[in-house]
Amino acid sequence: EPEVTQTPSHQVTQMGQEVILRCVPISNHLYFYWYRQILGQKVEFLVSFYNNEISEKSEIFDDQFSVERPDGSNFTLKIRSTKLEDSAMYFCASSARNQPQHFGDGTRLSIL
Amino acid sequence: QKEVEQNSGPLSVPEGAIASLNCTYSDRGSQSFFWYRQYSGKSPELIMSIYSNGDKEDGRFTAQLNKASQYVSLLIRDSQPSDSATYLCAGGYNTDKLIFGTGTRLQVFP
Repeated sequence: EPEVTQTPSHQVTQMGQEVILRCVPISNHLYFYWYRQILGQKVEFLVSFYNNEISEKSEIFDDQFSVERPDGSNFTLKIRSTKLEDSAMYFCASSARNQPQHFGDGTRLSIL
Repeated sequence: QKEVEQNSGPLSVPEGAIASLNCTYSDRGSQSFFWYRQYSGKSPELIMSIYSNGDKEDGRFTAQLNKASQYVSLLIRDSQPSDSATYLCAGGYNTDKLIFGTGTRLQVFP
């Protein structure tokens, strides 16, 4: 069964450094999302992306965050200058039109 | 502020019993509802989706939606220890963002 793949599975970064999280959505999906889950808390929406532009973003998704689809398969989340509070699991998801979202295994981001 | 509320649990049921998980939502505009299962340290895994009032069954799982009461539930029949996980209720708008509840931790004991 096709699946969303995310790399790396664990990223350790110094505070203030830039980090890029990578995702390969399911191949025939056109809608892409990033969510995050701080340890012990709920899954929170960050951003949705369709047709090469952001559809919606949450208050969490400030100017330090950006997303990009650099080619036909990858979807990336960049955090420009990481903060301690960015430590979380980051999940990429994708969906076909009017279909449920499927999640990748996540990237655990640890900011030191 | 759109909210999805769930009892955090844990809900403990014996093996073979029916587990009943509940969820309420605040936004009447939500059109779609989903149940995801999340094992500790893992990603959300889609269990059920439901879009219209009534029941939807898939194997041992039945999702129920009552839009008038803004209430969604998930029944798990013949619960197994492998069903022990956190169950996340989420509401959404077509292919828009999902709003998740905090999840209900289910424990199925042998």
